[in-house]
Amino acid sequence: EAGVTQFPSHSVIEKGQTVTLRCDPISGHDNLYWYRRVMGKEIKFLLHFVKESKQDESGMPNNRFLAERTGGTYSTLKVQPAELEDSGVYFCASSQDLSPGYSYEQYFGPGTRLTVT
Amino acid sequence: SQELEQSPQSLIVQEGKNLTINCTSSKTLYGLYWYKQKYGEGLIFLMMLQKGGEEKSHEKITAKLDEKKQQSSLHITASQPSHAGIYLCGADIGSSGYALNFGKGTSLLVTP
Repeated sequence: EAGVTQFPSHSVIEKGQTVTLRCDPISGHDNLYWYRRVMGKEIKFLLHFVKESKQDESGMPNNRFLAERTGGTYSTLKVQPAELEDSGVYFCASSQDLSPGYSYEQYFGPGTRLTVT
Repeated sequence: SQELEQSPQSLIVQEGKNLTINCTSSKTLYGLYWYKQKYGEGLIFLMMLQKGGEEKSHEKITAKLDEKKQQSSLHITASQPSHAGIYLCGADIGSSGYALNFGKGTSLLVTP
């Protein structure tokens, strides 16, 4: 079974440009999450999709970030326009259906390393 | 927001030695996850703990969640070079079981 995949693995862009990151979750996983780690900091939650709906986007830093999951399969995270502080590693994770009061492991992708110059 | 403190920040041990990594929360943990990240790669799920006092083992790695559900420890017995990497603890932000908060990680190096 294929794991969570992310594309690209690395991206170097200039400040003010636009970048789109893609995540393909494990097949059948309705839950998809985006996380980010900036240099020297811990991994931070960005948002959570259940199928195509945004369940929680409380971690999104500002309106320059737009996440979509059309059709409830893969997801994209667009940064427009990119700023220097957006540099970091963006992780995507997926998990199976959630039951109330029970947690399921989240499977992480390898991440996309974004460098904004 | 919930903060997770990991200690130590980094660790260098000789192959064959035992080691322990700790993860302490400022709030009650609804679910505690341990992940391992090899340098430049994604996070590999190790174990998940939910109940106070729960202990799980996989190969030479044992994780435990204390009774009060505010601290977890990860113990590696007879370390090997393959154990090297960054160990991260993550916890449910709320009781609904989805978004995770993470500690900063513990970097482990195992020397021959």
